[in-house]
Formats: sequence, C-alpha cells, structure tokens
Amino acid sequence: ETGVTQTPRHLVMGMTNKKSLKCEQHLGHNAMYWYKQSAKKPLELMFVYNFKEQTENNSVPSRFSPECPNSSHLFLHLHTLQPEDSALYLCASSPFYTGGAYEQYFGPGTRLTVT
Amino acid sequence: KQEVTQIPAALSVPEGENLVLNCSFTDSAIYNLQWFRQDPGKGLTSLLLIQSSQREQTSGRLNASLDKSSGRSTLYIAASQPGDSATYLCAVRLMNSGGYQKVTFGIGTKLQVIP
Repeated sequence: ETGVTQTPRHLVMGMTNKKSLKCEQHLGHNAMYWYKQSAKKPLELMFVYNFKEQTENNSVPSRFSPECPNSSHLFLHLHTLQPEDSALYLCASSPFYTGGAYEQYFGPGTRLTVT
Repeated sequence: KQEVTQIPAALSVPEGENLVLNCSFTDSAIYNLQWFRQDPGKGLTSLLLIQSSQREQTSGRLNASLDKSSGRSTLYIAASQPGDSATYLCAVRLMNSGGYQKVTFGIGTKLQVIP
C-alpha cells in the first residue's frame, strides 16, 4: 500500500457515457497528478495540481476534465471518450510540486475500456 | 525534448542469475533519475532514486548507477528471484526555469525470472 487509492479499479464505458475516476491520498501531500499509460507507450503526464491549483495541463483533450476539491482528493471526469482513450489511468501524489524534485507515490490505477 | 529509451524491451532469465537493465536519455541536464517497478495491472512502486550529483544507489539486491555525461543509467539485480518478475520503468526528471518538474518515462523492460 502506497497511501494512494483509486476507484474504480476497472471501468468499461460507452462513447456517450459520462463517468468519473477518483483518487485519494492519505499521505498529507500537496501535489497530485494524473497519468495515462497506454500499451507500448511511456507514461504520459496529463494534469498536475499543486495546493488544489492546476499547474500543468499537457494538451489534454477537453473530454477529460480534472477536479481537485482539496489536497487529498483528485477526480478525472470523462465524457464522450474515444476508443483510443482506453488505457490505465494512474494517480500519483508528492509532498510538493515546485521547489524540488519530490518522489511521487502512485496509486494502483484504473483500467479504462471505451467501447 | 527529453527522450528516454530502455533496452531490452523484454528479458527472460533463469532464477539466480544476475542481470542488468539499461536506460538512456538524450538530455543530460537532469535533476534526478528514478527506477520503478510495475506489476501487471498495478501502479508504480519506487525502487531507487539517484540525484544528479550521485553515481549510484543501492537497496538490497538492487544497485542503480548513473552516468550523466553519457546519458545512461543501469539497474543491476543480483541473484534474481521469480518475485522480481515485473516491468521496470526508468523516469528522468528535469527542472525547468520556473522550478517545475518535467518527468519523462521510458516504456520499460519486462522482466521474467524463470524458476
């Protein structure tokens, strides 16, 4: 257990559905991250939140909408996804984002399949 | 743009063998380099973090080295065990002028240790 939990662990959704992924960290960290891991590709950083403020959005399509209500919780709202969005979505947290390179702790991921 | 390459993509060895995994990166001005382990369908577990000023780090049967000038890192696993079977990811961290981290991951090396 890394102290970062993600729900659901598996999700199958149609292209017209709306769903949300949830991430919660119990480490007292202030930075949280969403990553996408597709088969045979490196992890891609999607979003970074530092003290609840979005500091990074790496050209992610608007059909992915992040939300960070507090430093412990991070959501990824999904709507009108495409089959190529099927991937493992990983959440991570670290003590801070700026001012130093802090080790990230990863959750187990949500395996998303878009049909 | 930083690129991280891991060779080989897959490796199968008999139990007890010592092995080396390789990671190369194109931009040598890194802040640090981190090795992760990922079990199938799971998140990432940090193994070793090497700061740019360090040459190596050790943890149990694992030893990671860093040669910034040549843009290379190796992960040495001694006396391999079936439980070491997993995908090993290398992540390189740069720091931009604004103090923000930029992490680039390799695709990973999938290791199978045969009993």
